[in-house]
Amino acid sequence: DGGITQSPKYLFRKEGQNVTLSCEQNLNHDAMYWYRQDPGQGLRLIYYSQIVNDFQKGDIAEGYSVSREKKESFPLTVTSAQKNPTAFYLCASSIEVLSYEQYFGPGTRLTVT
Amino acid sequence: AQKITQTQPGMFVQEKEAVTLDCTYDTSDQSYGLFWYKQPSSGEMIFLIYQGSYDEQNATEGRYSLNFQKARKSANLVISASQLGDSAMYFCAIRDNYGQNFVFGPGTRLSVLP
Repeated sequence: DGGITQSPKYLFRKEGQNVTLSCEQNLNHDAMYWYRQDPGQGLRLIYYSQIVNDFQKGDIAEGYSVSREKKESFPLTVTSAQKNPTAFYLCASSIEVLSYEQYFGPGTRLTVT
Repeated sequence: AQKITQTQPGMFVQEKEAVTLDCTYDTSDQSYGLFWYKQPSSGEMIFLIYQGSYDEQNATEGRYSLNFQKARKSANLVISASQLGDSAMYFCAIRDNYGQNFVFGPGTRLSVLP
């Protein structure tokens, strides 16, 4: 079964700790994305990657970091510098950046207290 | 900068009736794409339909159709014959054709009544 997996579904952390969210895809897609969703709002792009070892900042990259060492994996680290980290995080992929269809994972709900 | 406006925070529709979800957009790009996604309570985003800015015909996918009025910068989603499973959040989004800027609207919560 092809798709995108994000783990865990729920994540709790103490303020001041870095936390890494996992995103894995077996769709053989080149492009991958991270979005943040706050209650009552649409998605906002954090980072995206067009190919391995390359990634670009989105609209709200401050306080986040990513890596793309493998085509299948695009982990997101929420650092202690992110002022309001509590949110729902969605990972997506597409065949390439110009593809019009993005496939989304089930999301990770991060709560920082 | 691109922007999406969805003026209906919530909508109700009777089962088996049609419903239109509004979306207006703002962009200075000549070439762009418009998208609709569905987000059930489980959280995943499901792609519904796409319209390219140069497509002359309105896009259709099963019970979904996109009413594209380019001069008015409008891209409304029409769902025909609503089903209980259509109850969800619906997001309109725009992307420039360089693929680097994907902007979502705030969403509309659709509730289908039995």
